[in-house]
Amino acid sequence: NAGVTQTPKFRVLKTGQSMTLLCAQDMNHEYMYWYRQDPGMGLRLIHYSVGEGTTAKGEVPDGYNVSRLKKQNFLLGLESAAPSQTSVYFCASSARGHGYTFGSGTRLTVV
Amino acid sequence: RKEVEQDPGPFNVPEGATVAFNCTYSNSASQSFFWYRQDCRKEPKLLMSVYSSGNEDGRFTAQLNRASQYISLLIRDSKLSDSATYLCVVNPQAGTALIFGKGTTLSVSS
Repeated sequence: NAGVTQTPKFRVLKTGQSMTLLCAQDMNHEYMYWYRQDPGMGLRLIHYSVGEGTTAKGEVPDGYNVSRLKKQNFLLGLESAAPSQTSVYFCASSARGHGYTFGSGTRLTVV
Repeated sequence: RKEVEQDPGPFNVPEGATVAFNCTYSNSASQSFFWYRQDCRKEPKLLMSVYSSGNEDGRFTAQLNRASQYISLLIRDSKLSDSATYLCVVNPQAGTALIFGKGTTLSVSS
């Protein structure tokens, strides 16, 4: 039982490059989330989705886009990466009203 | 007032000690509450849910005080393996995302 899988695990980007982070869950969860975690800042919500085809902005959405074309997948896109987007990105999924299951994270460095 | 506030610590305790963490939340209508554990450079993992009546899981006890809007986590007989960051987590309303505190760091030494 894989749970929540994030790819890639590590990535180095140059400023201005684009990339997509993939999150896949096999628990049939309705809800999926993207967070970033920075030292001293805790987990901050970027975007989330309450079901296939729906997305919503979180606390820090600027510079990111998301898509939820399939229930099991939630994609996070960076159109033009900036050094301020250097962070650890966590995807999570949940059933309504329950705690989250997190992926193992993507460590992104923008140089 | 921040939505979820925790003392960042660190709490440095010897093995076998009892340690307690508190957390306060700002939204009185919050629906559900959790404690997560996060090890260094790892993802957060659910430690336990927090119920109004209080709940216990082995050496861990969680309590909720809705009137004062705080949540607590008590760890008895601390182990070296308990060293981690403990995140207080609140669901402000059904259908919305969880709000995470910044975490309290615990270091247990021999």
